[in-house]
Amino acid sequence: GAVVSQHPSWVICKSGTSVKIECRSLDFQATTMFWYRQFPKQSLMLMATSNEGSKATYEQGVEKDKFLINHASLTLSTLTVTSAHPEDSSFYICSARVEPGLAGGRSYNEQFFGPGTRLTVL
Amino acid sequence: QQQVKQSPQSLIVQKGGISIINCAYENTAFDYFPWYQQFPGKGPALLIAIRPDVSEKKEGRFTISFNKSAKQFSLHIMDSQPGDSATYFCAAARRPAGGTSYGKLTFGQGTILTVHP
Repeated sequence: GAVVSQHPSWVICKSGTSVKIECRSLDFQATTMFWYRQFPKQSLMLMATSNEGSKATYEQGVEKDKFLINHASLTLSTLTVTSAHPEDSSFYICSARVEPGLAGGRSYNEQFFGPGTRLTVL
Repeated sequence: QQQVKQSPQSLIVQKGGISIINCAYENTAFDYFPWYQQFPGKGPALLIAIRPDVSEKKEGRFTISFNKSAKQFSLHIMDSQPGDSATYFCAAARRPAGGTSYGKLTFGQGTILTVHP
């Protein structure tokens, strides 16, 4: 259980186009999802926290107008990179947090990560 | 105060040996300490996690040791195998006052583990 999927797994686009990445919790409901980006051989950098039915909370330095996040349901959050440029090329990873009592009776909530999306902007 | 410092950056171990990765934190409000394993091109996977009410937790070949007074915790991988070769991240999180859910994870810098056959 607690499987998170991402689509697409990789995408190549031209500079100036917009790209949408989907994150789905397949077998549990997630009121909170997180979006990270990771550069090669570096740690995960949290971009934003996505809460179902409300506006995302962005980390300092992350442009909310460039990285649009929509958490429309308890199993789906999307990240749209608008007007992508080569410097946006990165590995984007989402995670979904299990809420206590909603999945498996866990006493504390864990984050389960998706497999990541490799974005390359030409 | 939100930092988690991880060491070493890279580690090479022979098959059957013990791999030890250390993390130190500053924020005493942290009360959840997970370790994640990440293979190239994949998302991180939760390995094992500990809360500060215990000093050690073991799951199979993986053990977390926790030293609350020193604000340090470490991952020990016993009988290391080539299949354990991956990047390992420690992390920390805390529950906001009055909250029931842990907030965002603060990650360490990562350790690239290579286990030679």
